Amino acid sequence: GENVEQHPSTLSVQEGDSAVIKCTYSDSASNYFPWYKQELGKRPQLIIDIRSNVGEKKDQRIAVTLNKTAKHFSLHITETQPEDSAVYFCAASRGNTDKLIFGTGTRLQVFP
Amino acid sequence: NAGVTQTPKFQVLKTGQSMTLQCAQDMNHEYMSWYRQDPGMGLRLIHYSVGAGITDQGEVPNGYNVSRSTTEDFPLRLLSAAPSQTSVYFCASSYSGLAGSGANVLTFGAGSRLTVL
Repeated sequence: GENVEQHPSTLSVQEGDSAVIKCTYSDSASNYFPWYKQELGKRPQLIIDIRSNVGEKKDQRIAVTLNKTAKHFSLHITETQPEDSAVYFCAASRGNTDKLIFGTGTRLQVFP
Repeated sequence: NAGVTQTPKFQVLKTGQSMTLQCAQDMNHEYMSWYRQDPGMGLRLIHYSVGAGITDQGEVPNGYNVSRSTTEDFPLRLLSAAPSQTSVYFCASSYSGLAGSGANVLTFGAGSRLTVL
Protein backbone atom coordinates (compact mmCIF):
# COMPACT_ATOMS: atom_id res chain seq x y z
CA GLY A 1 0.00 0.00 0.00
CA GLU A 2 0.89 3.67 -0.09
CA ASN A 3 3.57 5.00 2.24
CA VAL A 4 4.19 8.74 2.66
CA GLU A 5 7.33 10.07 4.29
CA GLN A 6 7.57 13.70 5.40
CA HIS A 7 10.58 15.82 6.38
CA PRO A 8 11.53 17.65 8.48
CA SER A 9 9.53 16.80 11.58
CA THR A 10 10.14 20.28 13.02
CA LEU A 11 11.06 23.53 11.30
CA SER A 12 11.81 26.91 12.87
CA VAL A 13 12.08 30.04 10.75
CA GLN A 14 12.24 33.77 11.28
CA GLU A 15 9.21 35.80 10.26
CA GLY A 16 9.56 36.79 6.60
CA ASP A 17 11.74 33.81 5.69
CA SER A 18 10.60 30.94 3.47
CA ALA A 19 9.75 27.43 4.65
CA VAL A 20 9.92 24.22 2.64
CA ILE A 21 8.46 20.85 3.64
CA LYS A 22 9.14 17.76 1.55
CA CYS A 23 7.26 14.49 1.10
CA THR A 24 7.91 11.30 -0.80
CA TYR A 25 5.37 8.63 -1.69
CA SER A 26 5.68 5.01 -2.74
CA ASP A 27 2.65 4.22 -4.90
CA SER A 28 3.27 5.29 -8.50
CA ALA A 29 -0.49 5.17 -9.12
CA SER A 30 -1.11 8.03 -6.66
CA ASN A 31 -2.34 11.14 -8.44
CA TYR A 32 -3.75 13.43 -5.76
CA PHE A 33 -1.53 15.24 -3.24
CA PRO A 34 -3.13 17.56 -0.69
CA TRP A 35 -1.59 19.55 2.16
CA TYR A 36 -3.42 20.11 5.44
CA LYS A 37 -2.71 22.60 8.22
CA GLN A 38 -3.60 21.83 11.82
CA GLU A 39 -3.47 24.59 14.40
CA LEU A 40 -3.11 23.66 18.05
CA GLY A 41 -6.24 21.97 19.35
CA LYS A 42 -8.04 22.27 16.03
CA ARG A 43 -9.00 19.91 13.23
CA PRO A 44 -6.87 19.65 10.04
CA GLN A 45 -7.92 21.85 7.15
CA LEU A 46 -6.90 21.77 3.50
CA ILE A 47 -4.61 24.59 2.42
CA ILE A 48 -3.66 23.49 -1.07
CA ASP A 49 -3.71 20.40 -3.27
CA ILE A 50 -2.25 19.28 -6.57
CA ARG A 51 -3.13 16.58 -9.05
CA SER A 52 -0.65 14.69 -11.16
CA ASN A 53 -1.50 16.47 -14.39
CA VAL A 54 0.24 19.64 -13.15
CA GLY A 55 3.75 20.21 -11.79
CA GLU A 56 3.16 23.30 -9.68
CA LYS A 57 0.29 25.18 -8.11
CA LYS A 58 0.30 28.51 -6.28
CA ASP A 59 -2.11 30.25 -3.94
CA GLN A 60 -0.79 33.59 -2.68
CA ARG A 61 2.15 32.77 -0.34
CA ILE A 62 1.74 29.02 -0.66
CA ALA A 63 2.93 26.80 -3.49
CA VAL A 64 3.18 23.07 -4.05
CA THR A 65 5.48 21.35 -6.54
CA LEU A 66 5.22 17.77 -7.75
CA ASN A 67 7.84 15.53 -9.34
CA LYS A 68 6.08 12.34 -10.42
CA THR A 69 9.25 10.74 -11.76
CA ALA A 70 10.99 11.04 -8.41
CA LYS A 71 7.73 10.52 -6.47
CA HIS A 72 8.10 13.56 -4.29
CA PHE A 73 6.20 16.77 -3.69
CA SER A 74 6.93 19.85 -1.62
CA LEU A 75 5.13 22.70 0.13
CA HIS A 76 6.67 26.15 -0.10
CA ILE A 77 5.56 29.02 2.15
CA THR A 78 7.04 32.42 1.39
CA GLU A 79 7.11 35.51 3.62
CA THR A 80 6.17 33.46 6.66
CA GLN A 81 4.08 35.03 9.41
CA PRO A 82 3.54 33.98 13.04
CA GLU A 83 0.04 32.76 12.12
CA ASP A 84 1.65 30.19 9.81
CA SER A 85 2.83 28.38 12.95
CA ALA A 86 1.04 25.01 12.94
CA VAL A 87 1.51 21.35 12.05
CA TYR A 88 1.45 20.65 8.32
CA PHE A 89 0.57 17.27 6.83
CA CYS A 90 1.11 16.03 3.32
CA ALA A 91 -0.98 13.17 1.94
CA ALA A 92 -1.33 11.01 -1.16
CA SER A 93 -4.13 9.11 -2.83
CA ARG A 94 -5.06 7.49 -6.12
CA GLY A 95 -7.87 9.98 -6.13
CA ASN A 96 -11.60 9.61 -6.61
CA THR A 97 -12.80 7.04 -4.06
CA ASP A 98 -9.40 5.87 -2.88
CA LYS A 99 -8.11 6.24 0.66
CA LEU A 100 -5.93 9.20 1.66
CA ILE A 101 -2.66 8.36 3.42
CA PHE A 102 -0.93 11.07 5.46
CA GLY A 103 2.68 11.80 6.28
CA THR A 104 3.79 12.14 9.90
CA GLY A 105 3.57 15.93 9.96
CA THR A 106 5.91 18.92 10.26
CA ARG A 107 5.66 21.33 13.16
CA LEU A 108 6.44 24.79 11.79
CA GLN A 109 7.31 27.59 14.20
CA VAL A 110 7.62 31.12 12.89
CA PHE A 111 9.40 33.48 15.27
CA PRO A 112 8.68 37.22 15.16
CA ASN B 1 -25.00 22.68 7.51
CA ALA B 2 -23.38 21.09 10.54
CA GLY B 3 -20.59 19.44 8.48
CA VAL B 4 -19.06 16.44 10.26
CA THR B 5 -20.27 15.84 13.80
CA GLN B 6 -18.40 13.53 16.17
CA THR B 7 -19.53 12.38 19.58
CA PRO B 8 -18.39 12.14 22.29
CA LYS B 9 -15.66 14.81 22.45
CA PHE B 10 -14.00 13.12 25.43
CA GLN B 11 -14.21 9.59 26.81
CA VAL B 12 -12.35 7.63 29.47
CA LEU B 13 -12.55 3.84 29.34
CA LYS B 14 -11.14 0.99 31.33
CA THR B 15 -9.19 -1.75 29.62
CA GLY B 16 -11.57 -4.29 28.12
CA GLN B 17 -14.58 -2.01 27.86
CA SER B 18 -16.28 -1.44 24.54
CA MET B 19 -17.63 1.75 23.08
CA THR B 20 -18.73 3.40 19.86
CA LEU B 21 -17.53 6.74 18.49
CA GLN B 22 -20.27 8.31 16.44
CA CYS B 23 -19.75 10.23 13.21
CA ALA B 24 -22.43 11.90 11.12
CA GLN B 25 -22.21 14.19 8.10
CA ASP B 26 -24.95 16.17 6.39
CA MET B 27 -23.15 16.98 3.14
CA ASN B 28 -24.17 13.82 1.25
CA HIS B 29 -20.52 12.82 0.96
CA GLU B 30 -19.91 9.35 -0.42
CA TYR B 31 -16.50 8.89 1.21
CA MET B 32 -16.05 8.68 4.99
CA SER B 33 -13.03 7.69 7.04
CA TRP B 34 -11.62 7.39 10.54
CA TYR B 35 -8.11 8.45 11.54
CA ARG B 36 -6.25 8.32 14.81
CA GLN B 37 -3.71 10.96 15.72
CA ASP B 38 -0.82 10.21 18.03
CA PRO B 39 2.17 12.47 18.80
CA GLY B 40 4.88 12.11 16.16
CA MET B 41 2.85 9.64 14.09
CA GLY B 42 0.61 11.89 12.09
CA LEU B 43 -2.85 10.84 11.03
CA ARG B 44 -3.18 7.10 10.54
CA LEU B 45 -6.12 5.68 8.63
CA ILE B 46 -8.17 3.10 10.56
CA HIS B 47 -11.09 2.31 8.25
CA TYR B 48 -12.81 3.99 5.36
CA SER B 49 -15.97 3.71 3.29
CA VAL B 50 -16.74 4.74 -0.28
CA GLY B 51 -20.49 4.46 0.14
CA ALA B 52 -23.32 2.90 2.11
CA GLY B 53 -22.75 -0.81 2.62
CA ILE B 54 -19.05 -0.63 1.66
CA THR B 55 -16.16 -0.50 4.12
CA ASP B 56 -12.46 -1.26 3.88
CA GLN B 57 -9.43 -1.41 6.14
CA GLY B 58 -6.87 1.33 6.41
CA GLU B 59 -3.36 1.28 7.88
CA VAL B 60 -4.23 0.37 11.49
CA PRO B 61 -7.58 -1.50 11.56
CA ASN B 62 -6.92 -4.02 14.34
CA GLY B 63 -9.17 -3.62 17.36
CA TYR B 64 -11.73 -1.50 15.51
CA ASN B 65 -14.93 -2.25 13.60
CA VAL B 66 -17.00 -0.02 11.35
CA SER B 67 -20.26 -0.20 9.46
CA ARG B 68 -21.95 2.09 6.95
CA SER B 69 -25.67 1.42 6.84
CA THR B 70 -26.52 4.96 5.67
CA THR B 71 -24.70 7.65 3.70
CA GLU B 72 -24.76 9.97 6.72
CA ASP B 73 -23.37 7.79 9.51
CA PHE B 74 -20.07 5.97 10.01
CA PRO B 75 -19.63 4.73 13.61
CA LEU B 76 -16.32 3.36 14.89
CA ARG B 77 -16.52 0.54 17.43
CA LEU B 78 -13.82 -0.42 19.90
CA LEU B 79 -14.58 -4.01 20.85
CA SER B 80 -12.23 -4.41 23.84
CA ALA B 81 -10.35 -1.20 24.59
CA ALA B 82 -6.61 -1.32 25.23
CA PRO B 83 -4.26 1.41 26.53
CA SER B 84 -2.63 1.46 23.05
CA GLN B 85 -5.91 2.85 21.73
CA THR B 86 -5.52 6.03 23.76
CA SER B 87 -5.54 8.67 21.05
CA VAL B 88 -7.43 11.48 19.37
CA TYR B 89 -9.82 10.14 16.75
CA PHE B 90 -10.94 12.12 13.73
CA CYS B 91 -13.77 11.31 11.38
CA ALA B 92 -13.56 12.87 7.91
CA SER B 93 -15.69 12.85 4.79
CA SER B 94 -15.37 13.99 1.21
CA TYR B 95 -17.21 14.23 -2.04
CA SER B 96 -16.08 11.82 -4.73
CA GLY B 97 -16.44 13.49 -8.07
CA LEU B 98 -14.66 15.27 -10.85
CA ALA B 99 -11.31 16.87 -10.10
CA GLY B 100 -11.61 20.60 -9.52
CA SER B 101 -15.07 20.35 -8.04
CA GLY B 102 -13.89 19.96 -4.45
CA ALA B 103 -13.65 16.22 -4.84
CA ASN B 104 -11.49 14.36 -2.35
CA VAL B 105 -11.14 17.39 -0.03
CA LEU B 106 -11.60 16.00 3.46
CA THR B 107 -13.87 17.76 5.92
CA PHE B 108 -12.84 16.74 9.41
CA GLY B 109 -14.90 16.51 12.55
CA ALA B 110 -13.71 18.23 15.71
CA GLY B 111 -12.13 15.06 17.08
CA SER B 112 -12.76 12.70 19.98
CA ARG B 113 -10.16 12.31 22.69
CA LEU B 114 -10.15 8.78 24.09
CA THR B 115 -8.20 7.65 27.14
CA VAL B 116 -7.99 3.98 28.03
CA LEU B 117 -6.79 3.22 31.56
